[in-house]
Amino acid sequence: NAGVTQTPKFQVLKTGQSMTLQCAQDMNHEYMSWYRQDPGMGLRLIHYSVGAGITDQGEVPNGYNVSRSTTEDFPLRLLSAAPSQTSVYFCASSPYALAKNIQYFGAGTRLSVL
Amino acid sequence: EDKVVQSPLSLVVHEGDTVTLNCSYEVTNFRSLLWYKQEKKAPTFLFMLTSSGIEKKSGRLSSILDKKELFSILNITATQTGDSAVYLCAAFPRRDDKIIFGKGTRLHILP
Repeated sequence: NAGVTQTPKFQVLKTGQSMTLQCAQDMNHEYMSWYRQDPGMGLRLIHYSVGAGITDQGEVPNGYNVSRSTTEDFPLRLLSAAPSQTSVYFCASSPYALAKNIQYFGAGTRLSVL
Repeated sequence: EDKVVQSPLSLVVHEGDTVTLNCSYEVTNFRSLLWYKQEKKAPTFLFMLTSSGIEKKSGRLSSILDKKELFSILNITATQTGDSAVYLCAAFPRRDDKIIFGKGTRLHILP
């Protein structure tokens, strides 16, 4: 079982560059979300989606865009990277209708913005 | 503003000790509380609690929720070095789908 797959695992960007973090799940989960994790800060919700075509902002959405054109994929776009976006990013999914609270996490993407 | 507060933030104990991790929450229209264990990579699910006073157990780990006092505890008995991790608590409100995580408790078990 692939579960939740994030790519890339590591990325280094220069300030001002754009990039997309990919997230795909093969469990037919309706709910998907993106978090960032900084030292001593726990997990903070960036954006989330309750189904294809539906997205909403989380706690820290500024500087990030998302789209959900299919159930499987939920990419996170950094439009103009800033050093403050250096972090570890986690994508998660859950079976919204049945047990939306139990999320399954990807392995994470470690992003450094210079 | 909704929030989840975990304590202590860091804990060091010896193998074989019993530890209690705390999680308090202030969440409008609370739905459920979750515990996760995070080792080097992604968090893995431990427990979901929705009802007060009902203990959930998995091996040496157990957890309980108090909806009157707005807190949960995670107990680990007979700790092992493999229990070393960050333990995350998260609350799920009814009014929307924004899960709120605490900052985590970093647990280190000494051999």
